[in-house]
This record gives sequence, structure tokens and C-alpha cells, in this order.
Amino acid sequence: AQSVAQPEDQVNVAEGNPLTVKCTYSVSGNPYLFWYVQYPNRGLQFLLKYITGDNLVKGSYGFEAEFNKSQTSFHLKKPSALVSDSALYFCAVRALFTGGYNKLIFGAGTRLAVHP
Amino acid sequence: SAVISQKPSRDICQRGTSLTIQCQVDSQVTMMFWYRQQPGQSLTLIATANQGSEATYESGFVIDKFPISRPNLTFSTLTVSNMSPEDSSIYLCSVPVLLPSPNEQFFGPGTRLTVL
Repeated sequence: AQSVAQPEDQVNVAEGNPLTVKCTYSVSGNPYLFWYVQYPNRGLQFLLKYITGDNLVKGSYGFEAEFNKSQTSFHLKKPSALVSDSALYFCAVRALFTGGYNKLIFGAGTRLAVHP
Repeated sequence: SAVISQKPSRDICQRGTSLTIQCQVDSQVTMMFWYRQQPGQSLTLIATANQGSEATYESGFVIDKFPISRPNLTFSTLTVSNMSPEDSSIYLCSVPVLLPSPNEQFFGPGTRLTVL
């Protein structure tokens, strides 16, 4: 089955420290991977994506993610966390289904809490 | 990037009534997606709405409960019919990005529905 797993419900980190939000996936074929962020009472905002090319992709707000094919992972990282980074983060994969149409499958989400 | 607006932004409804949610996009798009985000949960795709054809519903969602209209390339509605408290969720519409990459999706701000 095609799926996305975010093993941590919540990640706590002190401001200024590096952060990692984990994501693993299972998909047929080449994965198209995405990270979205959801701030309170707001819709989802696109952060970054991996389609092809360099395994390390850079996105908005200083975030980056590393694609690891052997580990089927796409962890989100930031060298120095800000309190304003506190939000709900979703990993997603574009999967191909029967009939030739594809759709985004979302992980359960990880709540990031950055403490001053 | 596409600008997506949704109406209403939130509503509180009584059990047994219906609510129609509107989604307006500032550019023409072939496909529009409707998602549900139940409290504390991830996003689940309800249906894909193509202009000029019937919506395609995901497993667990039926047209009688969630009728969708797609009268033109910039607008869609989702109706939540005969509501129960279990329908309390955030409902989001989404459209694919066409340029430079057809793989991303933009999301509207969501409609927060509470059913009493």
C-alpha cells in the first residue's frame, strides 16, 4: 500500500537549536515528495518538494529536506529553529493509482513546538 | 501561484442541516480537489472535481453526502448534507500548480465546520 508515515506526533526543540521532523514513505515508482506547514487557523502552505535531482532540497523559511532513497525517507530540517516555526507539519507523497491518476497522500502530521 | 478563497471561513450548524462551501480560484484550473481534516487528524481526499464531468469520489465518500458542483474553471462548491457531529472538520479545496511544475498543489484557507 502506498503511504506516508510521520512517526512523531510532536517535536520539541529550543529556539536556536537544529530541528528535524521525520517522514518515511512507501510508493510505487519514483516518489514525488512534499512538505507543507499549517499555522493555526490557516490553510496549508507549501514548503518544499523533491521531484528529481539533488537529494538535498531547500525551501521556504530556511527549511530543507533530504531525500534518502535507500531509507525511503524525506526528513525536514532547519539549522536553527525559531519560535515562529511552531506549527503543524505534513509530509506528502504523490502516488499513482489505478486508472493513471495520481493524488497526494498525507502523513498524520507532526506538531513542532519551539520554545524560547 | 494561485490565490484560493473559501466561503464561509467557519460555521456552526445544527444536526440534520446542510452547508455549501464555496471555493474560488483566481485562475482557470482543470482539476480541483476537496479535502477533509478532522480534528487532530491529517488531510483526507474527499473527491476530485473536473469541470464538465461528475466528481470522482474516494473510498468512503459518496455523492449523496458530499455533492460537488463545478460550473466553470474557477469555481466549485462542496455541500455537506444531513450533517452530524462527526462531520465537524476543516474542509479545504486545493488546485494543482501548472507552472513551473505540475506536481504541487495550492490549498485554500479552509472552512472550519462545527456541527452541534
